Amino acid sequence: QSALTQPASVSGSPGQSITISCTGTSSDVGSYNLVSWYQQHPGKAPKLMIYEGSKRPSGVSNRFSGSKSGNTASLTISGLQAEDEADYYCCSYAGSSTPVVFGGGTKLTVL
Amino acid sequence: QLQLQESGPGLVKPSETLSLTCTVSGGSISSSSYYWGWIRQPPGKGLEWIGSIYYSGSTYYNPSLKSRVTISVDTSKNQFSLKLSSVTAADTAVYYCARHGGFPPPNWFDPWGQGTLVTVSS
Repeated sequence: QSALTQPASVSGSPGQSITISCTGTSSDVGSYNLVSWYQQHPGKAPKLMIYEGSKRPSGVSNRFSGSKSGNTASLTISGLQAEDEADYYCCSYAGSSTPVVFGGGTKLTVL
Repeated sequence: QLQLQESGPGLVKPSETLSLTCTVSGGSISSSSYYWGWIRQPPGKGLEWIGSIYYSGSTYYNPSLKSRVTISVDTSKNQFSLKLSSVTAADTAVYYCARHGGFPPPNWFDPWGQGTLVTVSS
């Protein structure tokens, strides 16, 4: 199972909105609304930001939202803040033979 | 709240077996709602799922690592463990343990341990 495809980097200015895409196939993202998103600051463990496509865990800012269209899932961060600068990874359920597949990660820079 | 902590050797020789343990605190590993997983991250690279286990011992592994991976659980100690055999330099990574939850099927990881760097070198 190939990794999900994410842009290597995205950037935005404080207050702006950005969207990170996560492209899979009809075997993973396209078949299940079971995409999760993780934020990782340097030297830290990943943190769950979105699960099951668009749900936010308790404590995660409502500036973070998730969506899906076809084989592509997206993470949108609105009202960009300096502390949002981090790496972001998507992850999808991909069926019983390879249940978990991650994206390659996207580095978000807040200008 | 639920916390996970990885432990084990930080240096392993090539061709030997990497062994790590994850200790769960603040909750029971025997919860019927969750699996428990291992994920790794080579330096400067992305995340790779290794495998997950249910408290009953049911496991599923990443097909690309399956021939070398064994994950086990010890409910009496609230721990689960990873063994990766025949390691090479390509197995050098930060290894994370995490709760693997969701609908079912389990489809998200939260929370994560802090991670432990394992270097494969002679």
